[in-house]
Amino acid sequence: EIVLTQSPGTLSLSPGERATLSCRTSQSVDSNYLAWYQQKPGQAPRLLIYGASNRATGIPDRFSGSGSGTDFTLTISRLEPEDFVVYYCLHYDNSPFPFGPGTKVDVK
Amino acid sequence: EVQLVESGGGLVQPGGSLRLSCAASGFTFNTYEMNWVRQAPGKGLEWVSYISGTTINYADSVKGRFTVSRDSAKNSLFLQMNSLRVEDTAVYYCTRSFDHWGQGTLVTVSS
Repeated sequence: EIVLTQSPGTLSLSPGERATLSCRTSQSVDSNYLAWYQQKPGQAPRLLIYGASNRATGIPDRFSGSGSGTDFTLTISRLEPEDFVVYYCLHYDNSPFPFGPGTKVDVK
Repeated sequence: EVQLVESGGGLVQPGGSLRLSCAASGFTFNTYEMNWVRQAPGKGLEWVSYISGTTINYADSVKGRFTVSRDSAKNSLFLQMNSLRVEDTAVYYCTRSFDHWGQGTLVTVSS
């Protein structure tokens, strides 16, 4: 069973800065099935990135994804005020479908 | 526009049952895999159940207690939850292939 680990648990940055979030899988996975989500308080998760590097419809280009094998990265090039929330990764190839524990991006 | 609307949550005692529904619109329901995902208060996301046209899977934490089903005529997804435990307390989301998500319905298991 694949386990996802996200780091850091909390990332403290200022608006305008670059955020780099990591998602590691316990074994090598097909990057076509790695996704990133943003979740604001009281809201459902929103798909940001699918297939490790493809932006979902309507997602600003300041969000980008990369990686392969066991190491994946979500990059937010310039943080906007609304980006200071929680981010999750998901591997969705075969069940069980593991989520990472999340990274909270907060204001420094 | 894809829409997923969950209903059926509420307060139930340990050992009790609830049936969640998810009404889907804006897409051809019977051609998509569907999932239930839950989130305990203040915690992360946990996959619960998957259903396609031919396959059903469950997380170990709910296997034998929860049953997922779908009704293509009604464009609806269901989750029958039996033998509920305090640790099943969560917001339950239905999601279409993990790309579109409903707003969630809160299930509280407490005496």
